Amino acid sequence: GAGVSQSPRYKVAKRGQDVALRCDPISGHVSLFWYQQALGQGPEFLTYFQNEAQLDKSGLPSDRFFAERPEGSVSTLKIQRTQQEDSAVYLCASSLASGAYGYTFGSGTRLTVV
Amino acid sequence: KQEVTQIPAALSVPEGENLVLNCSFTDSAIYNLQWFRQDPGKGLTSLLLIQSSQREQTSGRLNASLDKSSGRSTLYIAASQPGDSATYLCAPAFTGNQFYFGTGTSLTVIP
Repeated sequence: GAGVSQSPRYKVAKRGQDVALRCDPISGHVSLFWYQQALGQGPEFLTYFQNEAQLDKSGLPSDRFFAERPEGSVSTLKIQRTQQEDSAVYLCASSLASGAYGYTFGSGTRLTVV
Repeated sequence: KQEVTQIPAALSVPEGENLVLNCSFTDSAIYNLQWFRQDPGKGLTSLLLIQSSQREQTSGRLNASLDKSSGRSTLYIAASQPGDSATYLCAPAFTGNQFYFGTGTSLTVIP
């Protein structure tokens, strides 16, 4: 596609509910990143894929967070048993290679846990 | 984790003024650095990308410089316009696989 597409745009979840956030990167982009942005803060790294391989998941805050990219294109970030502190904007970015050409971000998914 | 600091945190200027946004980082072994703008409730829009071998990049009224030895980058905006109002984020990459953000500079250009 022409840009990075994320869905849903907004998600309201009850505490304890599981959620799945989708990222559709630019076609042909090898690298895919997930970031979490709390209100008033800069984005914080969560995890990184190169094709289908998850090369770095050091930023995932707990074992309730899980990301996958099974066919090396679309990625899903899953959060189990959501808690209020998970409320944030989740941003996805993709890059043609290892970042040498910069990164393109999607519009994000705003998650609110009530 | 790399520390990325952006100064000032907020800036309000009258239209037409030239301005400089600052970004500093703790590790000089930088791979590249990207400047983004973020409008309220929106995603990030890439403005400029500087490779570690470059000292500056220009796009229209924007000019970004990179000084690896001092761990600094600046974004210069010439002849500011109300449409420039947004949050500006710098994101240095140290491995090529992960890049870190500062907390941003919130810019308001007053007509």
